[in-house]
Amino acid sequence: DSGVTQTPKHLITATGQRVTLRCSPRSGDLSVYWYQQSLDQGLQFLIQYYNGEERAKGNILERFSAQQFPDLHSELNLSSLELGDSALYFCASSSEGSVYEQFFGPGTRLTVL
Amino acid sequence: AQSVAQPEDQVNVAEGNPLTVKCTYSVSGNPYLFWYVQYPNRGLQFLLKYITGDNLVKGSYGFEAEFNKSQTSFHLKKPSALVSDSALYFCAVSRGGSYIPTFGRGTSLIVHP
Repeated sequence: DSGVTQTPKHLITATGQRVTLRCSPRSGDLSVYWYQQSLDQGLQFLIQYYNGEERAKGNILERFSAQQFPDLHSELNLSSLELGDSALYFCASSSEGSVYEQFFGPGTRLTVL
Repeated sequence: AQSVAQPEDQVNVAEGNPLTVKCTYSVSGNPYLFWYVQYPNRGLQFLLKYITGDNLVKGSYGFEAEFNKSQTSFHLKKPSALVSDSALYFCAVSRGGSYIPTFGRGTSLIVHP
């Protein structure tokens, strides 16, 4: 168990809908990263937050947004969902003492029908 | 830009035999290199990293990796494979000073009893 929790585990929704994925980092970790894993694209970095502020942005669509709250949990919002958004979404966190080692949550499997 | 190539989609090895999972990278500047493992229905787990220093890096579960600058490679090795090592292995690279890794497509390791 990495100490990173993600909810929900599974999410099934329809095209055009909006969903929110939630992540709680390991205790004390200030950095949160979001990744998308799909069969065709592999593991893609989406966005990083550090202590509430956006730190780095990757291949994140404009329909997607994220935020990190004062208690350090993070949410990834996906809107106007398309079939191609079906994927595993992972959250990871890292600490100040080991910034290059990321601890991944179990993921949220999103299915868009 | 940075990239990682894992040339083998799948590696098969008999239990007790040595295993190698290959990785080559491309990055400007000094590379920071990582290996992660993913078991079915789980998030990625950190195995080891190379930042600087000794080219042979030892990690979790008896794994090690050798950094070869001239060949831009960072192959993962283990002297004696276990059936429980069967999983998906990801190599990742980031530019020195960046916390955001680029992951390879992954290599499925199958260890036969």
